[in-house]
Amino acid sequence: AQSVSQHNHHVILSEAASLELGCNYSYGGTVNLFWYVQYPGQHLQLLLKYFSGDPLVKGIKGFEAEFIKSKFSFNLRKPSVQWSDTAEYFCAVSHSGGGADGLTFGKGTHLIIQP
Amino acid sequence: GAGVSQSPRYKVAKRGQDVALRCDPISGHVSLFWYQQALGQGPEFLTYFQNEAQLDKSGLPSDRFFAERPEGSVSTLKIQRTQQEDSAVYLCASSLPVGTIYFGEGSWLTVV
Repeated sequence: AQSVSQHNHHVILSEAASLELGCNYSYGGTVNLFWYVQYPGQHLQLLLKYFSGDPLVKGIKGFEAEFIKSKFSFNLRKPSVQWSDTAEYFCAVSHSGGGADGLTFGKGTHLIIQP
Repeated sequence: GAGVSQSPRYKVAKRGQDVALRCDPISGHVSLFWYQQALGQGPEFLTYFQNEAQLDKSGLPSDRFFAERPEGSVSTLKIQRTQQEDSAVYLCASSLPVGTIYFGEGSWLTVV
């Protein structure tokens, strides 16, 4: 069974600080990797995804993530955060089997940006 | 509509009551998923449909949980004899056969 681990449950940063949220997964096969964001009172939205190719993927709102296969990691980064980035961030993984397999989520990281 | 639509958005049920949660997926999306998200946790997989066929129901926590998608579009998640531990947000998601999974806003269930 696959699992996803997010190292930080709560992160508090000041505006303009740099952000890195850790994500590690355990699965022996080929995977697809995702970061979703959930703003207060809103639904889960896709930030970025990795299926194959360049391991450095860029998403919306200035976010990026790097897939490091040897470390089973897919950390999320943003060079300068804004107050509006306050949200819950979820890392997720699915099998890379060509189908829309279900996602396995981490427990989430609650990010608070102080103005 | 443009996105995944779920109803009701909020439901308060008395313990022992049956509830039904509805999901309207994005038009044309053959894959449909149900997830349960407890407070402070990530979403956990419940069940998966491809068109009308329920291909995976391994995440349903008990036989009180039942999901259907009879015509391959709208889906209903039914919980019988609700218990307090069923309190959670129930998320529906849909996708094409391959690709990004899009989530609805969820149905918040509180069992009192």
